[in-house]
Amino acid sequence: KQEVTQIPAALSVPEGENLVLNCSFTDSAIYNLQWFRQDPGKGLTSLLLIQSSQREQTSGRLNASLDKSSGRSTLYIAASQPGDSATYLCAVAGAGNMLTFGGGTRLMVKP
Amino acid sequence: GAGVSQSPSNKVTEKGKDVELRCDPISGHTALYWYRQSLGQGLEFLIYFQGNSAPDKSGLPSDRFSAERTGGSVSTLTIQRTQQEDSAVYLCASSLRQLDLNEQFFGPGTRLTVL
Repeated sequence: KQEVTQIPAALSVPEGENLVLNCSFTDSAIYNLQWFRQDPGKGLTSLLLIQSSQREQTSGRLNASLDKSSGRSTLYIAASQPGDSATYLCAVAGAGNMLTFGGGTRLMVKP
Repeated sequence: GAGVSQSPSNKVTEKGKDVELRCDPISGHTALYWYRQSLGQGLEFLIYFQGNSAPDKSGLPSDRFSAERTGGSVSTLTIQRTQQEDSAVYLCASSLRQLDLNEQFFGPGTRLTVL
C-alpha cells in the first residue's frame, strides 16, 4: 500500500526566505505527483503536476522536483511571501489516477 | 461551469439520519473522484467514476456509503444512518479523462457534522 510522508509537518519562516518542502513515497510505481495548496476552510488548489517521466516543473516562484527511483519530491518556494501561508499537500497518483496524499506541511510566512 | 462545485457547503445532521452530498464536475470532465478529509485520517480516497461507472468501490468506509453518477456529470454521495465518525470534509475532484496523466481539480468541499 502506498504511503506518502511530508516533512516538516509545520514551518514558520520570515518573509523573503527561500524554502523547501519534502515529500516521500514508498511505492515508486506512480504515474504522476501533484502538489496542492489548501487554505483554511477551503478546497485544494493544484500548484504543479509532475508526470512520472519528468524530473521537475516550474510555475512562477514554485519549483517541484521528482526522483521517482528514490521516492522523493521537493517543492521549492522562492522569496516567500505572507500570502504563501497555507497547508501544502503532496499526492501521488497510482493506478486509476487515484491520489494518495501526504499529511501536509503547514506553512506560516511572517511579515 | 468554471470549476468543480459542491453542495451543500456545510451540513449538520443528527446521528442516524441520511445525507446526500452533491458534486458538479468541470464541464467535459469524464472522470470524477470523491475524497474525505478528517482530522484523524488526513485525506483519503473514497471512490471514482469513469463516465457513470464506478469500477472500484473498495475505498468506501462502510456499506452505509454509496455513490452514483448520472449523465456522465453530476455525482451524489449518500451516507445512510450517519455516525459521528462520518464527520469530515468531503471533497470532489474531476479530471479530463480517467488516465494516469490527468490533473485533478478539486471543489471547495462539503463540511459534514454529525451530532
